[in-house]
Amino acid sequence: KQEVTQIPAALSVPEGENLVLNCSFTDSAIYNLQWFRQDPGKGLTSLLLIQSSQREQTSGRLNASLDKSSGRSTLYIAASQPGDSATYLCAVSEGQNFVFGPGTRLSVLP
Amino acid sequence: GAGVSQSPRYKVAKRGQDVALRCDPISGHVSLFWYQQALGQGPEFLTYFQNEAQLDKSGLPSDRFFAERPEGSVSTLKIQRTQQEDSAVYLCASSLTAGFFSDTQYFGPGTRLTVL
Repeated sequence: KQEVTQIPAALSVPEGENLVLNCSFTDSAIYNLQWFRQDPGKGLTSLLLIQSSQREQTSGRLNASLDKSSGRSTLYIAASQPGDSATYLCAVSEGQNFVFGPGTRLSVLP
Repeated sequence: GAGVSQSPRYKVAKRGQDVALRCDPISGHVSLFWYQQALGQGPEFLTYFQNEAQLDKSGLPSDRFFAERPEGSVSTLKIQRTQQEDSAVYLCASSLTAGFFSDTQYFGPGTRLTVL
């Protein structure tokens, strides 16, 4: 059974820092991996989708990498801003199953 | 354009009551998903529709949970005889194409269900 973990569970950084969020999954037979952002009381917003054949995706200050063989993905956030404060979740698709990690709660302090 | 909407946003039910949660996906989206999110955890998959066909309901936790999408647009998740363990946020998502999870999913704000 696929299991997804995220480290750290929570992170607090001063504004302007670059940071890395980690996601690990146990079964490397995935179709894609997505990173989402969730603000309190709101749904999820898709940030980046990496297909299994890709190694990374970039959008603005965000860069996500995927190492399928080792079962790991990282989300890199450059020059963090207070508006980046949210919970970040990764999720892997196995075709007929979509498994989320528990999320990393990020606080960027002004 | 309008995103995915869900109603009600909050629902309080007494144990044993039936509830119905509504999802309006983005117009033209083929795929629709329901998830259950417990406090402090990631969402867990409940069921998947491709147009009006329910192709996967393997995540529904019991036969008290029932979902439908009769005309391939709006979907309703019904929970019969609610129990306290049903308390969670129920999220709906839609995506443009068919196929399981092969496309970006757009999520609604969720319905927070509290069973007393």
